[in-house]
Amino acid sequence: AQSVTQLGSHVSVSEGALVLLRCNYSSSVPPYLFWYVQYPNQGLQLLLKYTTGATLVKGINGFEAEFKKSETSFHLTKPSAHMSDAAEYFCAVMRAGGTSYGKLTFGQGTILTVHP
Amino acid sequence: DAGVIQSPRHEVTEMGQEVTLRCKPISGHDYLFWYRQTMMRGLELLIYFNNNVPIDDSGMPEDRFSAKMPNASFSTLKIQPSEPRDSAVYFCASRNGQGYQPQHFGDGTRLSIL
Repeated sequence: AQSVTQLGSHVSVSEGALVLLRCNYSSSVPPYLFWYVQYPNQGLQLLLKYTTGATLVKGINGFEAEFKKSETSFHLTKPSAHMSDAAEYFCAVMRAGGTSYGKLTFGQGTILTVHP
Repeated sequence: DAGVIQSPRHEVTEMGQEVTLRCKPISGHDYLFWYRQTMMRGLELLIYFNNNVPIDDSGMPEDRFSAKMPNASFSTLKIQPSEPRDSAVYFCASRNGQGYQPQHFGDGTRLSIL
């Protein structure tokens, strides 16, 4: 079975500070990993994904994430927070085969607050 | 490109009424997912379809919930009869089944059962 744990349901940073949102996963097969962002009253929007290849992946809005197999982690970072980054962020792992191919398992979400 | 389109965006109805939520997936996507999001339970997968066929409905909470996908461009989620505890935001998502493509989400339907 696959699972995703996001450390910290709430993270608060100052504008211009580093953003670090933590995600750890468990998977019995090589994982396919995603970060989504949800702004108020909107659906989930894809930030970035890791499937194969380079372990450091870049996404939209200046975010990036690094896949570390040894640590079973896929943490999301952004060097300098902007007020517009305030949202809820979800890490997810995709089932890569079997009868539930394509199904996503989501973490519980991390709400990012950015202070002026 | 048009994204996933859900309707209505908001629905307020009284307990016991039938509720129908609608979803139009992205053209060419062969997977469709229905989710429910609440503060208490977070994001829950209710059911998903591949090529219009239900694959996994283990997340459907009760027999009051049903979902159909009569063709590749339309799906419905129906609740009959509705109860106050069904109040939530319901999302539809679709994906292209080629490779490891991500799911694309609609903006959701905010459902309030009084």
